[in-house]
Amino acid sequence: QQQVKQSPQSLIVQKGGISIINCAYENTAFDYFPWYQQFPGKGPALLIAIRPDVSEKKEGRFTISFNKSAKQFSLHIMDSQPGDSATYFCAASMENYGQNFVFGPGTRLSVLP
Amino acid sequence: DAGVTQSPTHLIKTRGQQVTLRCSPKSGHDTVSWYQQALGQGPQFIFQYYEEEERQRGNFPDRFSGHQFPNYSSELNVNALWLGDSALYLCASSTSRRGYGYTFGSGTRLTVV
Repeated sequence: QQQVKQSPQSLIVQKGGISIINCAYENTAFDYFPWYQQFPGKGPALLIAIRPDVSEKKEGRFTISFNKSAKQFSLHIMDSQPGDSATYFCAASMENYGQNFVFGPGTRLSVLP
Repeated sequence: DAGVTQSPTHLIKTRGQQVTLRCSPKSGHDTVSWYQQALGQGPQFIFQYYEEEERQRGNFPDRFSGHQFPNYSSELNVNALWLGDSALYLCASSTSRRGYGYTFGSGTRLTVV
């Protein structure tokens, strides 16, 4: 029940295209859903996050869509650029007095020039 | 403003040995969490320290222990190393305020031979 599933495992997109990564969770107690971006040799960096009281959040080229009833959320990267090539992790947590995340297994994104 | 600092960056140990990893949190942060990231997988939560005490713990054996010092820095200790302990160990710091400032370091790459 603590698991977060993520797909696809890898994704290849042409420059300017849309990258879509999907995640699903089981634990309805989760109330915070971030997406992290990780480059080789670096720690994960927060990209964008959403709480279940909204269905969509947009920041620049990055959009999270959230479907509470289906327990699914997705990351959309518009106008994908080669610099977006990285591994993306969805995560979920319960925002009590300390966030600790359950991460998905990751999606390796390659944006071709 | 320095972010989360981890040391060492790389480490090679022999099976059965003990290892200590160190983490200095971001300025203003008082909570430290540790994660294990195996190659090609998402980070897995080990434990969290706040006010020098272990506040939450993931599904890791007692061989994994930690400590937080009065200046909020933290250590992760792993005893009786197994080959399977080879991974990137990530430290994340945050504040006790809800939902803010969760920042990862670049990690320590531990190789057990």
